[in-house]
Amino acid sequence: SQQGEEDPQALSIQEGENATMNCSYKTSINNLQWYRQNSGRGLVHLILIRSNEREKHSGRLRVTLDTSKKSSSLLITASRAADTASYFCATEPMNRDDKIIFGKGTRLHILP
Amino acid sequence: GAVVSQHPSRVICKSGTSVKIECRSLDFQATTMFWYRQFPKKSLMLMATSNEGSKATYEQGVEKDKFLINHASLTLSTLTVTSAHPEDSSFYICSARSTPQTDTQYFGPGTRLTVL
Repeated sequence: SQQGEEDPQALSIQEGENATMNCSYKTSINNLQWYRQNSGRGLVHLILIRSNEREKHSGRLRVTLDTSKKSSSLLITASRAADTASYFCATEPMNRDDKIIFGKGTRLHILP
Repeated sequence: GAVVSQHPSRVICKSGTSVKIECRSLDFQATTMFWYRQFPKKSLMLMATSNEGSKATYEQGVEKDKFLINHASLTLSTLTVTSAHPEDSSFYICSARSTPQTDTQYFGPGTRLTVL
């Protein structure tokens, strides 16, 4: 079953602009992860944020987590053409035996 | 990061045949592996959890006799799609976790199955 809901479902921005994607979930979690998937390829792990953390950075990526609102955001700054991909949030619900549940994803398209 | 491989990357088969997909953790031992299915432009749906040396745990709605999972060693899990039909055509992705306490799952590159 789906846990996360990303919005927007699709996003097109100009190269150089910042891209923000949001994820909402329903149950209490141990952690939340963001993944990138290029068309027809496997998933690349971007960043993991634990339930007791509020913000994490990795290069041009910034992830926030608000457990009171059960939501997270992924910000990609200074976007590049190579950032064009689908981005998924995945949550590890508490008491789910290590399983992670994926959201529906945001398709990001960076325009040259 | 840790590397997970899948083989084959792409397979085309006739309806009624069985197809085996391998998932290997190359540089770590995976006590738990997961199998996902992804339809075009859709998200990943968890099919089953594979634990080394024990039976797989299937998600609701997934036929265990249709999708046979074997996790015979700490580095290999296999998914066999039995008597495949066109509706089984999909992108199958595995992931592996080194220990139950490890947060991160490492994903394989996926296997594209097309059933004619």
